[in-house]
Amino acid sequence: QTVVTQEPSLTVSPGGTVTLTCASSTGAVTSGYYPNWFQQKPGQAPRALIYNTGNKHSWTPARFSGSLLGGKAALTLSAVQPEDEAEYYCLLYYDGIRTFGGGTKLTVL
Amino acid sequence: EVELVESGGDLVQPGGSLRLSCSTFGFTFRSFSMHWVRQAPGKGLEYVLGIDPNGQSTRYAESVRGRFTISRDNSKNSLYLQMSSLRVDDTAVYYCLKDCGDYGMDVWGQGTTVTVSS
Repeated sequence: QTVVTQEPSLTVSPGGTVTLTCASSTGAVTSGYYPNWFQQKPGQAPRALIYNTGNKHSWTPARFSGSLLGGKAALTLSAVQPEDEAEYYCLLYYDGIRTFGGGTKLTVL
Repeated sequence: EVELVESGGDLVQPGGSLRLSCSTFGFTFRSFSMHWVRQAPGKGLEYVLGIDPNGQSTRYAESVRGRFTISRDNSKNSLYLQMSSLRVDDTAVYYCLKDCGDYGMDVWGQGTTVTVSS
């Protein structure tokens, strides 16, 4: 079974920049895995941020960006705000099957 | 405004069945694929399965193969998840999601809770 791996936790200072990554047990993540990124705050439903590697939804703040980096999918947050503290999940496509990563808990401190 | 409203979650015994519904508003339902994702208590997200506008389901997650079935009624703007042979590890919040095309999913419902316990 394919495993998608994310950093369990990261900490960033307000105003700083942080990159979350998403790796595949099958090898390098390419654009053909169509990475999606989601944000979930405690007690809330998740919210979509990025689709197909780097495309933003209309509500996605400009400080969020998606890319491919070093064989992984990446979500970069610039000028981090306190309200960005949340759990972040990536999702990859595998031959018609979609698989979520385990999530990264981002702390803004 | 696009809105997804799940319903049907309940407490059910192991081996039982349950049908979840997702009522949709604010978009042309028949034009979009839809998905179900679940989240066990204190755990991460798990993709369950999806369905295209014509009613063809996507490949199933191994954990639900042969037990869960997805369907839709385009005349009622509604999505369904029929769950059978339920197990304790099916306990989760089940979310309905709208596809946005270009390999993306955009809008989530608020979720409905399924608890499988004796």
